[in-house]
Amino acid sequence: KNQVEQSPQSLIILEGKNCTLQCNYTVSPFSNLRWYKQDTGRGPVSLTIMTFSENTKSNGRYTATLDADTKQSSLHITASQLSDSASYICVVSANTGNQFYFGTGTSLTVIP
Amino acid sequence: DAGVIQSPRHEVTEMGQEVTLRCKPISGHDYLFWYRQTMMRGLELLIYFNNNVPIDDSGMPEDRFSAKMPNASFSTLKIQPSEPRDSAVYFCASSEGGPGANVLTFGAGSRLTVL
Repeated sequence: KNQVEQSPQSLIILEGKNCTLQCNYTVSPFSNLRWYKQDTGRGPVSLTIMTFSENTKSNGRYTATLDADTKQSSLHITASQLSDSASYICVVSANTGNQFYFGTGTSLTVIP
Repeated sequence: DAGVIQSPRHEVTEMGQEVTLRCKPISGHDYLFWYRQTMMRGLELLIYFNNNVPIDDSGMPEDRFSAKMPNASFSTLKIQPSEPRDSAVYFCASSEGGPGANVLTFGAGSRLTVL
C-alpha cells in the first residue's frame, strides 16, 4: 500500500534554531518527492521537488535530502524565523497511476 | 498568471443545502485536482481531470458529490445535499504533465462550514 508518514506531528522551536522534519514513504514505483509549506488559511506552496537521482536540494534556508534506498526524506530548516511557522507536507508521486500521496504534515511553530 | 483561483473563499450553509465550489486552473495546465483537507485526515484526493476529462473519481465520498470541468479554464465541485461532516477546506490544484513531471500548484482553498 502506498503511504507517506511524517514525523514529528508537531514541533515548537525557538527563533534562530535549526530543525529537521522527517518523511518516510512506501510509494512505488517512485517518481519524485516534494515538500510543501502551508501557511494557516492558505493552500500549500512548493518548497522543493526531488527525483530519484537527487540526494540534496536547497531552497534558501530549506534543505531537503532524499535517500531512495531507505525511502526516507528530511527537510532541514536553518536559522528558523517566525515566518517559518506553518504546516510542512511531504508529497510523493509514483510513476504509475497519476497520483500524489500526501503525508499528514508536521506543524511547526517558531516562537520568539 | 494569477495562479489557481478558487471561489468562494468561505461558505457557511445549512445542512441539506446545495454547495458549489469553483476553480480556475493555471492556463496551460492539463491536469486539475480537487482535494479535501481536514484536521483528522489531512489532504485527500477527491477527483482529478486530464484535458477536462475525469480520470479518477474514486476519492469522491458518495453520490452527493459531483465534479465537472466543462472547459480547460473552469471546474466545479458540487455537494447536494450538504451535511455537517462535509465541513472542510476544499482545494483545487493544477499541474502540467501530471505527477511525474511538474509542481502541483494549489489554490487558496474554499473553507466550507455546514451547520
